[in-house]
Amino acid sequence: GQNIDQPTEMTATEGAIVQINCTYQTSGFNGLFWYQQHAGEAPTFLSYNVLDGLEEKGRFSSFLSRSKGYSYLLLKELQMKDSASYLCAVRAGANNLFFGTGTRLTVIP
Amino acid sequence: DTEVTQTPKHLVMGMTNKKSLKCEQHMGHRAMYWYKQKAKKPPELMFVYSYEKLSINESVPSRFSPECPNSSLLNLHLHALQPEDSALYLCASSLFKGGGYEQYFGPGTRLTVT
Repeated sequence: GQNIDQPTEMTATEGAIVQINCTYQTSGFNGLFWYQQHAGEAPTFLSYNVLDGLEEKGRFSSFLSRSKGYSYLLLKELQMKDSASYLCAVRAGANNLFFGTGTRLTVIP
Repeated sequence: DTEVTQTPKHLVMGMTNKKSLKCEQHMGHRAMYWYKQKAKKPPELMFVYSYEKLSINESVPSRFSPECPNSSLLNLHLHALQPEDSALYLCASSLFKGGGYEQYFGPGTRLTVT
């Protein structure tokens, strides 16, 4: 089975940096995705990690440690529009993508 | 064009009705997916098509019947649903199944079963 854990909610201040953690236990790990989902909208792709290390993409970075079953999404220079749910999703085997419960981030002025 | 479209946006149906959800993409993607998402929960995979063939059915009840008429279209036929089937139904596509190919999601169909 798959077990993916994320904090349920986080609050951060506009302009600050926030780190959203994700831990997982899965058989046949084959990559980890981060998605952003605004309320009432579809998830949108943010990042993909399959090897250990940091992937940077503008204000967003994602880190993976396969040996620790751990990933984080780092958001810099937070903007109000970054208020959304952030979903960690683990690919197991060749096919399946399993989503965590998501972290609801609220950015305050 | 990096868009997945879904129709209808909203659907209300009774438990004896038959309806269909439609999904379309023109990105040349060969894998298409149906997910179900309840409020404040993550998406749950229902079906995966790869090259128009059903490759994964995550033990979904038979009242949900998927169909992939061609590489651009994906349907979900609904019959004799239950109120607990009310949810957001998301369609997604990726270039290929598996690997690092990201999934592009459609806006979803919000289904209410009365």
